[in-house]
Amino acid sequence: QKEVEQDPGPLSVPEGAIVSLNCTYSNSAFQYFMWYRQYSRKGPELLMYTYSSGNKEDGRFTAQVDKSSKYISLFIRDSQPSDSATYLCAMSERYWSGAGSYQLTFGKGTKLSVIP
Amino acid sequence: DSGVTQTPKHLITATGQRVTLRCSPRSGDLSVYWYQQSLDQGLQFLIQYYNGEERAKGNILERFSAQQFPDLHSELNLSSLELGDSALYFCASSVPPPDSSLYGYTFGSGTRLTVV
Repeated sequence: QKEVEQDPGPLSVPEGAIVSLNCTYSNSAFQYFMWYRQYSRKGPELLMYTYSSGNKEDGRFTAQVDKSSKYISLFIRDSQPSDSATYLCAMSERYWSGAGSYQLTFGKGTKLSVIP
Repeated sequence: DSGVTQTPKHLITATGQRVTLRCSPRSGDLSVYWYQQSLDQGLQFLIQYYNGEERAKGNILERFSAQQFPDLHSELNLSSLELGDSALYFCASSVPPPDSSLYGYTFGSGTRLTVV
């Protein structure tokens, strides 16, 4: 079993739809959870960051973490064609390892297309 | 512009050759991470440096090596190239603690390597 599982899609939705993207993970030590957005031929960019369980909202985006189920979600409301991209979840065990860094484990990404 | 600079953007080379990819992290970031991204494998962690020292190794082949220089830029060297090494190579950097509001990696725009 991979540490982080993410449905690769592709996911195609009409403009204005609510999009739900999900990841499951097996490592119960993960505490920090992130969502990255990657446009075609570009580097991933950080969208949302949450610590432990709970919800975080930023504009049209809401990130949810359920540590008891080892399940994280990203919701996009009123989706726009400009949201068409690959969305990667990422997670980490600790903030700072003491070795000058922390390690992120990424999902493979879900490709989203929002159709006008 | 993320602040992480990668050169070159594109590289086409023949099998058996050697190439060097370069990365300059964001100003103030001490950690540099190298990732390989292919269509079927997602983002694969290769190696990480912190302030000039190697901190973690991932799935990096023995034909690949990297270093981080005193000015904090990093180079990834790929030798005896094979067709299967064709991929996007990303560099990322991260902020040292304690600024938790900036948790997460910042990625460069990548180098697209094509081995023919």
